[in-house]
Amino acid sequence: GAGVSQSPRYKVAKRGQDVALRCDPISGHVSLFWYQQALGQGPEFLTYFQNEAQLDKSGLPSDRFFAERPEGSVSTLKIQRTQQEDSAVYLCASSSVTGGYTFGSGTRLTVV
Amino acid sequence: AQSVTQLGSHVSVSEGALVLLRCNYSSSVPPYLFWYVQYPNQGLQLLLKYTSAATLVKGINGFEAEFKKSETSFHLTKPSAHMSDAAEYFCAVSDLTTGNQFYFGTGTSLTVIP
Repeated sequence: GAGVSQSPRYKVAKRGQDVALRCDPISGHVSLFWYQQALGQGPEFLTYFQNEAQLDKSGLPSDRFFAERPEGSVSTLKIQRTQQEDSAVYLCASSSVTGGYTFGSGTRLTVV
Repeated sequence: AQSVTQLGSHVSVSEGALVLLRCNYSSSVPPYLFWYVQYPNQGLQLLLKYTSAATLVKGINGFEAEFKKSETSFHLTKPSAHMSDAAEYFCAVSDLTTGNQFYFGTGTSLTVIP
């Protein structure tokens, strides 16, 4: 596609519920990144894929967070047993081998 | 490790006045530096980037930034603020050694007063 597409745009989850956030990167982009942006803060790195390989997951805040990119294109960020502190905007970005970096519009997760 | 510090979480300027948003970085290797703008409920849009070429970088919407190694700074400027410049601005650094991961500052909210 022309840009990085994220869905849903908004998600309200009850505490304890599992959620799945989807990222559809720009076609052909090898690298894919997930960031978490808390209210009033800058984005913070969560995890990075190169094709289907998850090369860095050092930013995932707990073992409740899990990301996958099984075919090297679409990625899903899953959060199990959501907590209120998980409320944030989750941004996905993809980049080409030349380094052009494009962000999606994000998914705003609110845990109630 | 890489990091950026944005001085001033809120900046207000009058329409037509100079915009100056400050960013200082910390990097153990030559950095790549970026400024992004974020409008409400939208993603991040690249304004400009420094990738070790010219130290004065021109971006979109009349913005520019100057890389000053001696001051470890990459301040963003625009000669004349427009109402449409009101947004959140983020400085970011990347060193391309960690998968091109970005490290963002906490952001500066720009208000333009008519």
